[in-house]
Amino acid sequence: DAGVTQSPTHLIKTRGQHVTLRCSPISGHKSVSWYQQVLGQGPQFIFQYYEKEERGRGNFPDRFSARQFPNYSSELNVNALLLGDSALYLCASSWGTGAPRTQYFGPGTRLTVL
Amino acid sequence: ELKVEQNPLFLSMQEGKNYTIYCNYSTTSDRLYWYRQDPGKSLESLFVLLSNGAVKQEGRLMASLDTKARLSTLHITAAVHDLSATYFCAVALWNTGNQFYFGTGTSLTVIP
Repeated sequence: DAGVTQSPTHLIKTRGQHVTLRCSPISGHKSVSWYQQVLGQGPQFIFQYYEKEERGRGNFPDRFSARQFPNYSSELNVNALLLGDSALYLCASSWGTGAPRTQYFGPGTRLTVL
Repeated sequence: ELKVEQNPLFLSMQEGKNYTIYCNYSTTSDRLYWYRQDPGKSLESLFVLLSNGAVKQEGRLMASLDTKARLSTLHITAAVHDLSATYFCAVALWNTGNQFYFGTGTSLTVIP
């Protein structure tokens, strides 16, 4: 069975640009979460979506936005990129949200902002 | 805000030795997760601990949870080089759905 997939794997952007990252969850999983992992740190929660609705938002500026599609895939958008946005962006999927369930992580998208 | 702290941050140990990684968290939770991350890779789920006193073992790794002390441990027995990686604990709260709060990570290097 396919795990969580993310695209692209690597991305280089310049300051001020915007970026769209994509994620497809494990088949049957309805919840997708996004995390930012800066080098040397643990992942930080950005968003959670379930059944196309936002269920949680971390402490990130409004430049970050996301959405979930009817097939449960998801996009993370970041506008007006800053150097500090350089990080590994991880997508995780789980079956639901009722009780905290194990999240399965994708390979990540490494974003470099120059 | 929930805080999750791990120690040590860095651990260098010889093959064959035993050691324990500690994970402390700041608020009540009865679900604790351990993940492994190899350099440049994503996170691999190792253990899910669902209740006070829970103990899980897989190979040379054993994880336990004490919800009263808000403490989880990851014990490494007779370390081998293949265990070299960064280990994260994560806590989820019921009232935040499936939002995970990750610890700072412990970078483990096993020396032959």
